[in-house]
Amino acid sequence: EAGVTQFPSHSVIEKGQTVTLRCDPISGHDNLYWYRRVMGKEIKFLLHFVKESKQDESGMPNNRFLAERTGGTYSTLKVQPAELEDSGVYFCASSLGTRVYFGPGTRLLVL
Amino acid sequence: GIQVEQSPPDLILQEGANSTLRCNFSDSVNNLQWFHQNPWGQLINLFYIPSGTKQNGRLSATTVATERYSLLYISSSQTTDSGVYFCAVGGGGSTLGRLYFGRGTQLTVWP
Repeated sequence: EAGVTQFPSHSVIEKGQTVTLRCDPISGHDNLYWYRRVMGKEIKFLLHFVKESKQDESGMPNNRFLAERTGGTYSTLKVQPAELEDSGVYFCASSLGTRVYFGPGTRLLVL
Repeated sequence: GIQVEQSPPDLILQEGANSTLRCNFSDSVNNLQWFHQNPWGQLINLFYIPSGTKQNGRLSATTVATERYSLLYISSSQTTDSGVYFCAVGGGGSTLGRLYFGRGTQLTVWP
């Protein structure tokens, strides 16, 4: 069984540009989460999808971040326009029940 | 949100040694998971353990929910155990996957 996959693994962009991160959860997992870790800080929750619906988006930092999960399968997280403080590692995770499985993360660097 | 404190922040061991990692949390939780982040950044789910004791090979974990702490034991450590160990806690039901992470324990095992 394939795990959670994320694309790209790394992204380097300039301030003001747009970046879109993709996450493919484990097949059959209705729950999909986005987390991020900025330098020196804890891993923090961003939002939670149940199928295609946003269950909880209280962790989204501001309206420059837009997450979608069309059809309840893969999800995208768009940052537009990117700022320097958005640099960090963005993790996607999925679950069916209690255990949460994380992807390898996308390392985003905004210059 | 729930505060999670992990100790020690850093741990250096020789191969074969045993270690205990601790996680304290500030509120009642229905969800507690231990993760290992390997040197490539991948977060591996070790245990889902909101209470009680579990063992998996050389690793075991105990959570005393009434006293708001969890312990992760690593016996006969190996160099492949190196990495960051995270404790993450959360509620249950619809918020099951919204996890609050500690800052982690950085474990280095020398041959």
